[in-house]
Amino acid sequence: GAVVSQHPSWVICKSGTSVKIECRSLDFQATTMFWYRQFPKQSLMLMATSNEGSKATYEQGVEKDKFLINHASLTLSTLTVTSAHPEDSSFYICSAGNQLSSYNEQFFGPGTRLTVL
Amino acid sequence: GDSVTQMEGPVTLSEEAFLTINCTYTATGYPSLFWYVQYPGEGLQLLLKATKADDKGSNKGFEATYRKETTSFHLEKGSVQVSDSAVYFCALSKGPSTGGFKTIFGAGTRLFVKA
Repeated sequence: GAVVSQHPSWVICKSGTSVKIECRSLDFQATTMFWYRQFPKQSLMLMATSNEGSKATYEQGVEKDKFLINHASLTLSTLTVTSAHPEDSSFYICSAGNQLSSYNEQFFGPGTRLTVL
Repeated sequence: GDSVTQMEGPVTLSEEAFLTINCTYTATGYPSLFWYVQYPGEGLQLLLKATKADDKGSNKGFEATYRKETTSFHLEKGSVQVSDSAVYFCALSKGPSTGGFKTIFGAGTRLFVKA
């Protein structure tokens, strides 16, 4: 299957700082990228969907000003957690897909663990 | 709306036991169905998939059959190993022409396999 990378794999930051997480599709063009959040021992919660060159579509309850998403190219999307606070500590996972695919499959990154002190 | 329901865990089995994790779905149209596995501290890995009714996905001894009549996609393995201990997620995905390109996950089922 296709390969999706995330960087960094883990990050620790102080409260009030901003953190940027990168998601890259390494061997295919991702028309759509998704950002998920996963709390310990829970399922993945979709935060937002971004199509290349368009504004992201956020799920209900997700603050778009706090979680800034940019999808400027077919291989890169970024999630910036602005003014991070301890409650933003979580495991963030991105996935990438191509709308032209007939199998509706998404390929997942390895995740980024964010800890806000 | 579309949803996925899977059996609650944790499931605890002895090595070489038979595994079944139930999964049912509710969806309009014709979704693709997936099982993902997540090992501790890691991201999701695709375990197997099925894209249409009666398809059987299989990988590493795991199997699941897309049953449209019962809207189910149960995961089975004939003989589990300690290394199969992980969390398993059932999921469905629909393409952009059928109501939005997104994946919907079940709650996850944690499997513990004892030696």
